[in-house]
Amino acid sequence: AQSVAQPEDQVNVAEGNPLTVKCTYSVSGNPYLFWYVQYPNRGLQFLLKYITGDNLVKGSYGFEAEFNKSQTSFHLKKPSALVSDSALYFCAVRAAYSGAGSYQLTFGKGTKLSVIP
Amino acid sequence: EPEVTQTPSHQVTQMGQEVILRCVPISNHLYFYWYRQILGQKVEFLVSFYNNEISEKSEIFDDQFSVERPDGSNFTLKIRSTKLEDSAMYFCARGNRGDPSGANVLTFGAGSRLTVL
Repeated sequence: AQSVAQPEDQVNVAEGNPLTVKCTYSVSGNPYLFWYVQYPNRGLQFLLKYITGDNLVKGSYGFEAEFNKSQTSFHLKKPSALVSDSALYFCAVRAAYSGAGSYQLTFGKGTKLSVIP
Repeated sequence: EPEVTQTPSHQVTQMGQEVILRCVPISNHLYFYWYRQILGQKVEFLVSFYNNEISEKSEIFDDQFSVERPDGSNFTLKIRSTKLEDSAMYFCARGNRGDPSGANVLTFGAGSRLTVL
């Protein structure tokens, strides 16, 4: 079974400081990894994904994430946080395409990011 | 890509009543999904729908649940006899065009909050 852990319910960071939202995963075989963001009263919006290739993935709004296979992690990062980044962030995993099996996304429970002016 | 529209945004119902949640994705997409999030918990996969048939469902998706695409555009989730534990935010999602597996990047609706009393 695949699973995602987001160990922090909430992350607080000052505007202009770097931010990190942590995610670790468990999946059989190679993973596809995703970050989604949810703003109030909106659906989950795709930020970035790791499928294959470079371990550092760049996504929307200046966010990036680093895939670390040995640590089974996919932490979300941004060099300089903005107040508008305040939202709920979800990490998700699924097994890589193999012609059979489950392709549903498994989400973490989310991390609330608060950027303080 | 246009957003996914979900109705109602919030529904309050009595235990044992039937509820229908609606989703309007784009008609030429093949892959659709329902997820739910119980307050404070993980976003959980319910069911995937491909080419007008259920392709995969989770343990949560028991006989009380059903999905339909009655008119080729709307995508509905029906809960036949609601229970207190069905109270959650229900998210509809579609797979994006150009994705060979149809399942890598999902576009979510804003969700329908169901409260069962």
